[in-house]
Amino acid sequence: QEQLVESGGGLVVAGGSLRLSCVASGFTFGDYYMSWIRQAPGKGLEWISYISSEAGATSKFYAASVQGRFTISRDRAKNSLYLDMNNVRVDDTAIYYCARGRWEVLFDLWGQGTLVTVSS
Amino acid sequence: QSVLTQPPSASGTPGQRVNISCPGSSSNIGNNAVSWYQHVPGKAPRLLIYSNNRRPSGVPDRFSGSRSGTSASLAISGLQSEDEADYYCTAWDGSLSAYVFGTGTKVTVL
Repeated sequence: QEQLVESGGGLVVAGGSLRLSCVASGFTFGDYYMSWIRQAPGKGLEWISYISSEAGATSKFYAASVQGRFTISRDRAKNSLYLDMNNVRVDDTAIYYCARGRWEVLFDLWGQGTLVTVSS
Repeated sequence: QSVLTQPPSASGTPGQRVNISCPGSSSNIGNNAVSWYQHVPGKAPRLLIYSNNRRPSGVPDRFSGSRSGTSASLAISGLQSEDEADYYCTAWDGSLSAYVFGTGTKVTVL
C-alpha cells in the first residue's frame, strides 16, 4: 500500500526551529518529486516547497513566505523527505502535508498531515 | 495571497451540476497544466484532475476538468452528498517559480 506518513510537528516558540519528516512506503520513493504543502487554521492550501526526484540534478523551489527560513531535503536510503524550519513565525502555524508527483501527475498521494503550532 | 481566485462557495441539490472556475494568467494556467483537488477537513486532500482534464484511476467520471486560455474549471455532475468538500485548483507559476493553489471553493449539497 502506497503511503506517506508525516511526523515532527508540535509546539514551538516563535524564532525557534523544527524538523518535519515524511516517510514513504509502498512505492519507489526516488522516482517521485516531492513537495510540502500547508493549511493554516481557517485558510486554504498553500504550497511551500518542492524537491526534484532522485533522477538527475537536484532542484529545489520555495514559496516566498518561507524562502531563506525553510530547507527541503530528502534521503533515498531512508525513503524520507524533510523540512527544516528555522526562525519560525506565528503565521507558520498550520497542518503540514507532504505530497508526491511524477511527470504530469501532480500531488497524487498525500500524507495525513502533522500539526505545527507556533506560539508567541 | 493566492493568484488564483476561486469563488468561495458553490451549491446544488443532489443530481445537479456544479461548476467551479479558476481564473489565472499567462504565467500560470495559460502555459502550465492545471490540477484539481478535493479536501474534506480532517482528511488528506485527494487528486481529482491532472493535466487539465485527466482523471486518475478511481475518480468517478462525474468529475471533469477543462482549460480555456488562462482559465480553468471543474465540473461536478450528478452531485452527491459525499461531494461536500473544499475544492482547489493548482498550477505552476513560471513568474513566481512556485506552485500556486486557488483560494478554494466550498461545495455544499443542499
